Parts: sequence; C-alpha cells; structure tokens
Amino acid sequence: EAQVTQNPRYLITVTGKKLTVTCSQNMNHEYMSWYRQDPGLGLRQIYYSMNVEVTDKGDVPEGYKVSRKEKRNFPLILESPSPNQTSLYFCASSFSPTGGDQPQHFGDGTRLSIL
Amino acid sequence: AQSVAQPEDQVNVAEGNPLTVKCTYSVSGNPYLFWYVQYPNRGLQFLLKYITGDNLVKGSYGFEAEFNKSQTSFHLKKPSALVSDSALYFCAVRDAGTYKYIFGTGTRLKVLA
Repeated sequence: EAQVTQNPRYLITVTGKKLTVTCSQNMNHEYMSWYRQDPGLGLRQIYYSMNVEVTDKGDVPEGYKVSRKEKRNFPLILESPSPNQTSLYFCASSFSPTGGDQPQHFGDGTRLSIL
Repeated sequence: AQSVAQPEDQVNVAEGNPLTVKCTYSVSGNPYLFWYVQYPNRGLQFLLKYITGDNLVKGSYGFEAEFNKSQTSFHLKKPSALVSDSALYFCAVRDAGTYKYIFGTGTRLKVLA
C-alpha cells in the first residue's frame, strides 16, 4: 500500500530535550516536505526537499532541522524544543514538481506537546 | 509573496444542496492550485488541482473547482452535498517559479441532514 509513515504519532516531552520525528514513504517520490498545523493558521511549510541531499527552507524553518540522506526518509529534528513548537506535524511527499505538478500524499500526523 | 485566503472559517449547508468553499490567492507568476480535505485524526487527502487548461476542474468524490484568473479565485464546488462531505478543506497554491507551497487557514464544512 502506498503510504507516508510518521513516527511517533503522539509525543509529550520537555523543553530542551532533543527529539526526532521520522517520516518514510514507499512511493519513490523525489519531493518531501514537513508542515505544522495550528488552529487559525492552517498548514505552514517548515522545510522541503527536492531530492537526496537537497533541502530548502519553507516559511517557518526556525528551530527545526532536516536531512535527506536516503530518498525514502526525511526526518524532522528539533534540537532544543520549546513550547511554541507544540503543534500537529505532517510529512508529505510527491513526485518531482519540476515537470508539471503533482499532488502531495500526507502522513497521518504527529501531535507534539512540549512542556 | 505568495498567499492564500479562505475567508470563511465554517460553511454550513443542508444535505442535497449545492456547496461552495471559497479560496483566493496571490502569486507573482502562474499559479498551481490545489484543494485538499482533512478528516478527523487523518492527514490531508488530495481532491483536485489546476495547472493549466480548462477553468473548470473536476476531482474526487464529485467535487469540482472553478479557476478565475481575473478574480484570482479557485472556489471549490459540489452540486449536491452529502453528510459525509463534512470535513476541513484546505486550498493551497504554489508559484510556478518556486517549490514552496502555501496553504490557506482551512474551512470547516458542515453538511446538515
């Protein structure tokens, strides 16, 4: 089954304790992206990746890091989480947008609470 | 800068009636426009997209959207609403010159039986 898998689905942690949210897709997609969803603000793009070793900032990259060492994986790293990063996070993937455009496939989300 | 506006936080419609969920956008180049739907505790699901061509785009589950370049709008429509259409709907845009996506704030659609 074609899917985007995020782990964990839920996490409660404390300020300053490094955490990683994993994202994996099995569709051989080149493009991957992370979003955060907050009430009244919709989805905002954090980082995106056009392919292995190619990443770029979205609209809200502060406090986050990403890496793309393999095509299927795109982890989101919070080196020193703070309460304002409490949010619902989504990973998404699609075929390359360079040759036209493709819809994104979304994971089921990771709810992070930073105390 | 790119932007997307969904002016209505919530839209209520009776089952069987037509529905419209509004979206306006601003980009500097040609827009790529999308509609997604989100059900509770799930990720977003693609409904339809406009890249070029016909201004009326047909998508999944009987939804369609009308691209209006002069009004910079991309409203989502369905001729006859179902209770199961109740969900959160997001409009998104990508400027053809970038690979960044901008999403609207979402519109909650409630279809009343």
